[in-house]
Amino acid sequence: DAGITQSPRHKVTETGTPVTLRCHQTENHRYMYWYRQDPGHGLRLIHYSYGVKDTDKGEVSDGYSVSRSKTEDFLLTLESATSSQTSVYFCAISELGGNTGELFFGEGSRLTVL
Amino acid sequence: GQQVMQIPQYQHVQEGEDFTTYCNSSTTLSNIQWYKQRPGGHPVFLIQLVKSGEVKKQKRLTFQFGEAKKNSSLHITATQTTDVGTYFCAGILNQFYFGTGTSLTVIP
Repeated sequence: DAGITQSPRHKVTETGTPVTLRCHQTENHRYMYWYRQDPGHGLRLIHYSYGVKDTDKGEVSDGYSVSRSKTEDFLLTLESATSSQTSVYFCAISELGGNTGELFFGEGSRLTVL
Repeated sequence: GQQVMQIPQYQHVQEGEDFTTYCNSSTTLSNIQWYKQRPGGHPVFLIQLVKSGEVKKQKRLTFQFGEAKKNSSLHITATQTTDVGTYFCAGILNQFYFGTGTSLTVIP
């Protein structure tokens, strides 16, 4: 398995609190992604990064922000968590991005917002 | 926007029966990839198809990419309990567009 670590793996929080999920990779891949997975919706892209300090929005970016200050770390922040953000969040990395590269996924972070 | 539809959403089969999942894109794709996610696990890359009409096999799994590069299918022959999981297609057009997945249950 590719060297991807997500933290925390499980978190329960209350509505209105800030939450940060961390993705750490040891593969030196250029592209990093945050997806959320919900029943009936599959994997939906939140934000992605194509280099240090280079990020862009995905299809469900509202309520989320990201930062990438180092190649190996990609942070996903929920400024004020809502119950609709209860989900399983997956980080993924890719060497070549949306051309021919495959995605390697982390183990996932399960977030519950009460 | 770009959409990739995948059917069926769920499939229950008896062990030994065949299984097929289909993906359809609203636009022509560059490539298509397939991933498998075991229950409680994370998606794992299976294969990538690039050429129009391409067919690839991995043991009991057969992957096809349509002539127009807008649709794809994954066929499993003689399912086994180890095939249980959710299968996702990902259409690629400078970005990854995931289908909603097909959850496969294999009844022993």
